[in-house]
Amino acid sequence: DGGITQSPKYLFRKEGQNVTLSCEQNLNHDAMYWYRQDPGQGLRLIYYSQIVNDFQKGDIAEGYSVSREKKESFPLTVTSAQKNPTAFYLCASSRRGLNTEAFFGQGTRLTVV
Amino acid sequence: QKEVEQDPGPLSVPEGAIVSLNCTYSNSAFQYFMWYRQYSRKGPELLMYTYSSGNKEDGRFTAQVDKSSKYISLFIRDSQPSDSATYLCAMSAGKAGTALIFGKGTTLSVSS
Repeated sequence: DGGITQSPKYLFRKEGQNVTLSCEQNLNHDAMYWYRQDPGQGLRLIYYSQIVNDFQKGDIAEGYSVSREKKESFPLTVTSAQKNPTAFYLCASSRRGLNTEAFFGQGTRLTVV
Repeated sequence: QKEVEQDPGPLSVPEGAIVSLNCTYSNSAFQYFMWYRQYSRKGPELLMYTYSSGNKEDGRFTAQVDKSSKYISLFIRDSQPSDSATYLCAMSAGKAGTALIFGKGTTLSVSS
């Protein structure tokens, strides 16, 4: 089945540690995105990539990093510099240009303990 | 003024009611409009996709776009308890290097 796979579904991290969230898609989409969702805040864009080896910061990129070495994969690292990392993280993909709809994974719930 | 405004609700209706969900926006460059449905602790799923102004119908769902008023709506007919979810509007100017802008979502509860 074609789709977007995020793993793990739940993730716990100690303060001061970096953690990497996985996102893989087999839709042959060029563009991929990371959003953060907090209660009452809606979806906020962290990073996006329109093509392999290229990515841009979104509205809340501080404390996060990404890589796009393969078309299918867009991992997100939450670094220790991110002050409030506990959130629901969503990965999405679309055909290039964003004049088409985006499709989402099922999300990763990150909790800092 | 935020680019996209959406009343968070919550909105509670009885089964069978007609539901109207709305978003307003400020950027006149937006041309692509989407509605997503999100169940608790799940990723959003695309419900409706509309380009420019006009109506689009899919089963019990109708999406309307009024670009002159910068206003979009999603109507749900004969609402069901399974429609209980958060509904997010999203829009884009469709330019390379841009991303979807989302509303904050409206939480809908349909009681049987």
